[in-house]
Amino acid sequence: AQSVTQLDSQVPVFEEAPVELRCNYSSSVSVYLFWYVQYPNQGLQLLLKYLSGSTLVKGINGFEAEFNKSQTSFHLRKPSVHISDTAEYFCAVSGDRIFGNEKLTFGTGTRLTIIP
Amino acid sequence: DAGVIQSPRHEVTEMGQEVTLRCKLISGHNSLFWYRQTMMRGLELLIYFNNNVPIDDSGMPEDRFSAKMPNASFSTLKIQPSEPRDSAVYFCASSLGDPGDTEAFFGQGTRLTVV
Repeated sequence: AQSVTQLDSQVPVFEEAPVELRCNYSSSVSVYLFWYVQYPNQGLQLLLKYLSGSTLVKGINGFEAEFNKSQTSFHLRKPSVHISDTAEYFCAVSGDRIFGNEKLTFGTGTRLTIIP
Repeated sequence: DAGVIQSPRHEVTEMGQEVTLRCKLISGHNSLFWYRQTMMRGLELLIYFNNNVPIDDSGMPEDRFSAKMPNASFSTLKIQPSEPRDSAVYFCASSLGDPGDTEAFFGQGTRLTVV
């Protein structure tokens, strides 16, 4: 079974400050990891994904995340946030289709609020 | 491609009525997921299909919920009879089904209100 923990339900950050949104996962098999962003009244949009290879993954809008297998973490970071980054952020994990684990399991989300 | 298309965007119905939510997959995708989002429970996977076959329906709340894929590009989620506690945003997502990549593309969602 897979699970995702996002410890911070809300994170307020001043504009142009750095931010880190935390994500820890649990899985008994190899995993694929994702961060999605949801703007108000919108669907989920992929920010970035880790499938294999380099543990530092760069995504859209200046976000990046680092896969840490020993700590089972996949924290999302941005060095300088903008007002437009205000949204809900979801971390998700899936396994490989060949094991029948391709479904995405989501964390509870972190609401990022940028303070002008 | 226009992406995953869901209809309707908003649905308000009375308790006891049948509700049908619709989803059109991205062309060429062969995995389909239905999620429900509420404040209390977050994003829950209801069911997913691969090549039109239901693979995991363990998230379907009860027999009032049913989902079908009559063809490779279209799916429906039906609630009969609907209850106020079914009020939520329902998302459909599709993926290419590449063994090395399980990225899912989401529709805009259907906001269901049962009164």
